[in-house]
Amino acid sequence: SAVISQKPSRDICQRGTSLTIQCQVDSQVTMMFWYRQQPGQSLTLIATANQGSEATYESGFVIDKFPISRPNLTFSTLTVSNMSPEDSSIYLCSVPPGDRGTDTQYFGPGTRLTVL
Amino acid sequence: QKEVEQNSGPLSVPEGAIASLNCTYSDRGSQSFFWYRQYSGKSPELIMFIYSNGDKEDGRFTAQLNKASQYVSLLIRDSQPSDSATYLCAVGSQAGTALIFGKGTTLSVSS
Repeated sequence: SAVISQKPSRDICQRGTSLTIQCQVDSQVTMMFWYRQQPGQSLTLIATANQGSEATYESGFVIDKFPISRPNLTFSTLTVSNMSPEDSSIYLCSVPPGDRGTDTQYFGPGTRLTVL
Repeated sequence: QKEVEQNSGPLSVPEGAIASLNCTYSDRGSQSFFWYRQYSGKSPELIMFIYSNGDKEDGRFTAQLNKASQYVSLLIRDSQPSDSATYLCAVGSQAGTALIFGKGTTLSVSS
């Protein structure tokens, strides 16, 4: 089954700073997704990261605030820029679910971000 | 705006009972349907997926899909206290694409 890791697992940051979150998958995947889960809420898609092209952002999310890199088929980064307390969330990277079955991990463990 | 709706719960059932979780979606073009389980403080884990109308069974879990009614459900038979979690319904436009998630239903199974 696929394994997805994220770094850091958690961080406490000051307002106005930036944090880069790394996501590593142990197999090659065409698409990777970045989600945000605010406290007590469900998951909201931030963007889709395809290798070799610009990320596609969902409504309400912009590249200047959440720049994404996708240098190869197993790795992606999400940067949360110029942070404010409203950015305090869990950030999750994900790969598409599907026929690999339910014993496959499709979400990373998440990065819990607190902005003071 | 594509939406996925779930009752937030909590849904409380006694141990051994059947838990029924429901989900509706707005996009008629949706092709793939998923149920994730999320324990507090953990990331979601996939427990069921279904692509065709009808029922799909996997152990104690049965997913039901009715595309005409834009309705997906998850039945958990012989519920256990370890099933207590938030269940997220997720819908995709086609295989391999990002998913739209519902807000989740919190299930509590009492022993």
